[in-house]
Amino acid sequence: GQNIDQPTEMTATEGAIVQINCTYQTSGFNGLFWYQQHAGEAPTFLSYNVLDGLEEKGRFSSFLSRSKGYSYLLLKELQMKDSASYLCAVRDGDYKLSFGAGTTVTVRA
Amino acid sequence: ETGVTQTPRHLVMGMTNKKSLKCEQHLGHNAMYWYKQSAKKPLELMFVYNFKEQTENNSVPSRFSPECPNSSHLFLHLHTLQPEDSALYLCASSRERGQGTDTQYFGPGTRLTVL
Repeated sequence: GQNIDQPTEMTATEGAIVQINCTYQTSGFNGLFWYQQHAGEAPTFLSYNVLDGLEEKGRFSSFLSRSKGYSYLLLKELQMKDSASYLCAVRDGDYKLSFGAGTTVTVRA
Repeated sequence: ETGVTQTPRHLVMGMTNKKSLKCEQHLGHNAMYWYKQSAKKPLELMFVYNFKEQTENNSVPSRFSPECPNSSHLFLHLHTLQPEDSALYLCASSRERGQGTDTQYFGPGTRLTVL
């Protein structure tokens, strides 16, 4: 089966940096996705990694190490609107995604 | 707005009721998905349709019955549900097969409560 682990909760201060780790053990690997989900809303796509290394997109960056089965999502210059759940998902074939349980990030003033 | 809409947004039903959830996507995608999201648990994939054909049934109980009349619409018919079926039901769509950055676009979900 698929096993994707990420911390349940994290708290940080406005303007700070937070790093959300994700480790995975899956039967196949065809890319890793990060989604953001605000309470009561749809998950929305944040980033995609398929090769090792760092992908940067404004205040958000995502890193992947396939040999270690590890990824992280880095949120910089935190804003109050970044308070949300962040979902790590692995595509193990051509379309099927397996998700972690999500990390709830709370940004304090 | 992700281009995927779901109705109703909230539903309360008794265990003997029959109801249906509706999903519509305006993105020209050919694959559609139903997921179940329970508190503190990973999203569980329930069903996948590709070009209107069901390609995945993830051991879902028969009290959940999907229907995909065309690539833009997806339904989930519910009957004789149990209280443990209470959850957020999310619909998603994508191009026919996930390639590269092709991702799934999610609707806002239907919050289902079974009494």
